[in-house]
Amino acid sequence: SQKIEQNSEALNIQEGKTATLTCNYTNYSPAYLQWYRQDPGRGPVFLLLIRENEKEKRKERLKVTFDTTLKQSLFHITASQPADSATYLCALRSGSSNTGKLIFGQGTTLQVKP
Amino acid sequence: EPEVTQTPSHQVTQMGQEVILRCVPISNHLYFYWYRQILGQKVEFLVSFYNNEISEKSEIFDDQFSVERPDGSNFTLKIRSTKLEDSAMYFCASTPLEGTSYEQYFGPGTRLTVT
Repeated sequence: SQKIEQNSEALNIQEGKTATLTCNYTNYSPAYLQWYRQDPGRGPVFLLLIRENEKEKRKERLKVTFDTTLKQSLFHITASQPADSATYLCALRSGSSNTGKLIFGQGTTLQVKP
Repeated sequence: EPEVTQTPSHQVTQMGQEVILRCVPISNHLYFYWYRQILGQKVEFLVSFYNNEISEKSEIFDDQFSVERPDGSNFTLKIRSTKLEDSAMYFCASTPLEGTSYEQYFGPGTRLTVT
C-alpha cells in the first residue's frame, strides 16, 4: 500500500542549529514533492517544491533534497530560530493524478529552544 | 498579498444537520480543493474542482458531500447529514495555473464540531 512517513516524534533543537526533517514514501512515483508549514489551528503554508528530476532546492535558510532511489526527502532549516517552531508537512503529488491532489504525511513538530 | 478565505471559522452543528462551509479562493486561480484534518491526524484530500466540475474525489467524499461554485468567487462544501466522525478542520485550497505542478494556497480552515 502507499505510505508517506514522517518522524512522528517532535524534534527539539537549540536556536542556531540546523534542523533536519525526513520524509519517506513507498509505492509512489511522485511527480514532485512539497513541504508545508502548519501552525496550530491554521492551514498549511507552502514552503518549497522539488521535482522528481531535481536533487536539491534552496530558499533562504531552507533546503530540500529529493532522492527518488531512496524514496526520501530531507528538509533542512539552517540557523534555526524559535519562530521556526511549527509542524512541517511533506506532501506528494502522485504521478497518476492529473488534478494536483496532494497526499500528506502526518507531519513532524519542530521545537526550537532559545 | 491575496489569500484564500473561509467562513465560518468555527461551526457547531447537531448530528444529522446539513452544513455549508464557504471558501473564497484567490481570484485568478483555476483549481480548487477541499481537504480535512481530524484532530491529531493527517491532512486528507477530499475533492478537487476544475472548470465547474469535480475532477477527482477521495473515498471519503461520499454521497453526503457536494461541492459547488455558485458564482465567480465562492466555492462551497456541503455535508447533507453530518455525522460525529465529520468533526474536523476543513481546509479549502486553490492553485493558480493548471493545478498539476504548483503549490497550493490554503485557507485558515473551518473547525466543524458535530455533537
